[in-house]
Order: sequence, then C-alpha cells, then structure tokens
Amino acid sequence: QLQLQLSGPGLVKPSETLSLTCSVSGGSISSTTYYWGWIRQPPGKGLEWIGSIYYSGSTYYCPSLKSRVTIFLDTPLNHFSLNLRSVTAADTAVYYCARGGPLTGVLDAFDIWGQGTMVTVSS
Amino acid sequence: QSALTQPASVSGSPGQSITISCTGTSSDVGGYNYVSWYQQHPGKAPKLMIYGVSNRPSGVSNRFSGSKSGNTASLTISGLQAEDEADYYCTSYTRISSVVFGGGTKLTVL
Repeated sequence: QLQLQLSGPGLVKPSETLSLTCSVSGGSISSTTYYWGWIRQPPGKGLEWIGSIYYSGSTYYCPSLKSRVTIFLDTPLNHFSLNLRSVTAADTAVYYCARGGPLTGVLDAFDIWGQGTMVTVSS
Repeated sequence: QSALTQPASVSGSPGQSITISCTGTSSDVGGYNYVSWYQQHPGKAPKLMIYGVSNRPSGVSNRFSGSKSGNTASLTISGLQAEDEADYYCTSYTRISSVVFGGGTKLTVL
C-alpha cells in the first residue's frame, strides 16, 4: 500500500523559501504514469493545485505560482520536493502532497494523499 | 486560470438525494472528460470520490455518481447519510496542462 509522508518546517519567514519533501513508501517514485503533486489549502479556504511532476521529471505548474515554484524528484531517496520562493503571509496554508495519474493517465485524479502539514509564514 | 464555480452550500435530509454542480469553460470542464470530485472532512486530507467524470475508485459507495453536460459537471449523492456531511471539491484538467479546483461546497445533512 503506497503511502506519502510529508516533512518540512512549520514556520517560514516572509521573503524566504518554503521547502517541503514528500517521501513515498510502498512503491517507486519512478513508476510510469504517476504524477506527483502538491496542493495547498489556506485556513478556512478551498484547495489550490500548486503543481505536479511526472515520473520522467516533466513539470506542470499553476500559472499564478509558476514564477515562484520548483518541484523536483529525488529518485534514489524515493521522494519529491516543493520549493516556493519569496513567500508572504498569503502562502500560509496546509500543504498536501498527492499522487495523480494512475486512474486517468493525466495529472489529475489524486488518489493517494499525504497527511498534510501546516506551514505558517510569519516573522 | 479561474477556479471552477460551485455552490457554497447544499443541504439535504437523510435518505434524500442532492446534486452539486461544478461550472467551468470549454478550456477545462467542457473540453475534457477529466473531472474529479473530492470529499473532505474537517481536519482531514481530501478523498477521491469520482474521476473521469463518472468513475468511482475502488471502495467508494455507489451512492456517489458523476455526470457532465457541456461546461458543467455534477456530483449526485443518493440516500444521504450523516457521514456524507463534508466539503466537496471538483477539479478539472485544463487546456494548458494544469489542474483547476472548484471553490468547494459544504454539504449539510439535516
């Protein structure tokens, strides 16, 4: 049973870089047809897709965040990571990692989710 | 990309059926059969309920069904149960190879 485990700091200062890692267990991050995604949810608000990375390394980003986001794979360590640069208070949210793709072949339909982690941007 | 449009709230009594709409454009909902629906209980991660407009993942009750007409997708829950009370979000794949979420709908079981 594939599982996703998030890790990273819960507090980030304004203008700095938010970095999170999602460790994959029970399966390989290199499996074909899998897209590994990041989604966030500000307190009391809805879900927002941040971006996804294909097993091959191709990346897809939310247009409004694209200039500040990098998602990358670490195949030997079987995890994928998110960097969000120049954060502000508006980036305060619960961040989720998730697996997409196996049911549809495109980067949607996130069938397995990590537990979510709250990241607060504050000095 | 603009968020898909969902009603803020819907409600129904146990045993009844409810439908949640999700309206997009021809660049997302109307252009692809890649609409998904998620259920989220407070403090929990979302759970995939419907993918590919009308398909249920293994383990999801057949009380949940999805459909699409033009630029609007719909989630129907029949035989409402207390545990169905949650937030529901739709998503769609888009023309620019991205994913867009709906604003979410709070379902209250009366």
